Amino acid sequence: QKEVEQDPGPLSVPEGAIVSLNCTYSNSAFQYFMWYRQYSRKGPELLMYTYSSGNKEDGRFTAQVDKSSKYISLFIRDSQPSDSATYLCAMSLDNYGQNFVFGPGTRLSVLP
Amino acid sequence: ETGVTQSPTHLIKTRGQQVTLRCSSQSGHNTVSWYQQALGQGPQFIFQYYREEENGRGNFPPRFSGLQFPNYSSELNVNALELDDSALYLCASSTRSGTDTQYFGPGTRLTVL
Repeated sequence: QKEVEQDPGPLSVPEGAIVSLNCTYSNSAFQYFMWYRQYSRKGPELLMYTYSSGNKEDGRFTAQVDKSSKYISLFIRDSQPSDSATYLCAMSLDNYGQNFVFGPGTRLSVLP
Repeated sequence: ETGVTQSPTHLIKTRGQQVTLRCSSQSGHNTVSWYQQALGQGPQFIFQYYREEENGRGNFPPRFSGLQFPNYSSELNVNALELDDSALYLCASSTRSGTDTQYFGPGTRLTVL
């Protein structure tokens, strides 16, 4: 079993749809949970950063962490063609880079 | 955009050669981590530098080495390049402040022929 699992997609949705992206993980010691957006041939861009369980909202993005189920989600409301990218989940024991584990990424296409 | 910069943008080398990649961390960040991202995969942790010393290493052989300088910038060196080393190499910086996380640079795309 991989440490972090993520459906690679591709996922295609119409503009304006609500998008749900998910990751599961096996290490119950993870405390920090991140979502990154990566455009083709670019570096990952931090979208959401959550410590421990709960929800966090930032504009059209909502991140949820359920540590009891070892499951995290990212919701994108009113999706736009500019949201088309690969979305990477990452989790860690710390928040400064060591021991970060990434999922393989989900490729999202938002169609106009 | 983050304040993390990397050079060069692209690089083509042949098998057996050596390569040096460079990273300038975001202002105020004292910790630099390097990642390798193969096509279609998530980034994999290579190692981290803090206060000019290696502070954690992933599952990469010793031919991957690095340096951090007093201004917190960093280098990644790869010796005896192999075809499988072809990837996007990402640098990320952070503060270890407990209130923030790491931010990535744009990456260097290395092709080994």
